[in-house]
Amino acid sequence: AQTVTQSQPEMSVQEAETVTLSCTYDTSESDYYLFWYKQPPSRQMILVIRQEAYKQQNATENRFSVNFQKAAKSFSLKISDSQLGDAAMYFCAYRTYNNNDMRFGAGTRLTVKP
Amino acid sequence: DAGITQSPRYKITETGRQVTLMCHQTWSHSYMFWYRQDLGHGLRLIYYSAAADITDKGEVPDGYVVSRSKTENFPLTLESATRSQTSVYFCASNPDRVQRQYEQYFGPGTRLTVT
Repeated sequence: AQTVTQSQPEMSVQEAETVTLSCTYDTSESDYYLFWYKQPPSRQMILVIRQEAYKQQNATENRFSVNFQKAAKSFSLKISDSQLGDAAMYFCAYRTYNNNDMRFGAGTRLTVKP
Repeated sequence: DAGITQSPRYKITETGRQVTLMCHQTWSHSYMFWYRQDLGHGLRLIYYSAAADITDKGEVPDGYVVSRSKTENFPLTLESATRSQTSVYFCASNPDRVQRQYEQYFGPGTRLTVT
């Protein structure tokens, strides 16, 4: 079974600095999707960024970028120029092309210090 | 407004009672999902549906029942609630995979407390 591991239960960053959240996953599949979701105190799950495994180029969305290492099964999220509004729980998730079961990590709580 | 809604947002019920959580989406997405979120576990899939009248079990289906008579609705029923089912429940949807859109869109969640 596929598993997703987020080894950092909590992280903190100074406003305007850069922080990297770690995620590793276990799979025998070659084709899959990876996602980072943000969950602010409102509880709403918000998609931050996605990466298709067949693409070698790392995905980027404004201040958010990923470091996708397929061979190492690693998918970290980098947040640049951190803002107070970035404070939230961040979940890494994995899904294959043919399976509807999206697997989530346990989450990393990010605190942004002013 | 278009989107995915859940009701109620908060629910307190007693052990042994039946409770139904509602989910409604206006996108006509084929796929719908129910997750529960517990501290230390992230989100875990309870049930999903690929279309009306097609449902299947996820990772933690025991104690739950789903139905999908209409594409836009996907209710989740706890037939006899237990304290271990105290959790936050999320409904999600995504379009048919043929469109290669694999990210899921989530509702606002329902916080359920079983006393």
